[in-house]
Amino acid sequence: NAGVTQTPKFQVLKTGQSMTLQCAQDMNHNSMYWYRQDPGMGLRLIYYSASEGTTDKGEVPNGYNVSRLNKREFSLRLESAAPSQTSVYFCASSVTGISYNEQFFGPGTRLTVL
Amino acid sequence: EDQVTQSPEALRLQEGESSSLNCSYTVSGLRGLFWYRQDPGKGPEFLFTLYSAGEEKEKERLKATLTKKESFLHITAPKPEDSATYLCAVQAWEETSGSRLTFGEGTQLTVNP
Repeated sequence: NAGVTQTPKFQVLKTGQSMTLQCAQDMNHNSMYWYRQDPGMGLRLIYYSASEGTTDKGEVPNGYNVSRLNKREFSLRLESAAPSQTSVYFCASSVTGISYNEQFFGPGTRLTVL
Repeated sequence: EDQVTQSPEALRLQEGESSSLNCSYTVSGLRGLFWYRQDPGKGPEFLFTLYSAGEEKEKERLKATLTKKESFLHITAPKPEDSATYLCAVQAWEETSGSRLTFGEGTQLTVNP
């Protein structure tokens, strides 16, 4: 099992450009998440999807959109990138239920917006 | 609003020198407290889940404990390969489904040989 995979690993954008970050998991998890990690800020939730067909805003959703394509895939889109979106982006997945709520993370996408 | 505070921000130990990392939290109703390890350039790796005060879990040189206000990650006789950033996160009971976590900023641990 590959676990959680993310593409691309690195990306440099110019202000105003758009891009989509891809995430896939092969653990049959119901829930998927997008976080950003910045120095001094910790991991902050952007959007999450509790199950296929649903998405909800997290702590920092402005400037982002998401799509839960199917049970395996959850993408994050930046429509018009800004320098403030320079960060490391992590996708995660988990089982939804009373227990087994630990989230499993992908390797991250390092994004720089110039 | 759920809050997680980790201390210290950074910790340097000599190999074999035991110590503890602290995670203080405020949450409306604790569903679970999670510890993760993160190596440079990689995603967080799950270590432990604690569900109720008094619970303890161990894995090799690591032992996590939980009270009603904080959690400790005890590191016994650490080795250089234990060097990493350790993250703490809490999950609150919510009516909606999903498993939203609130993370602390982490403690960067360096173990010198």
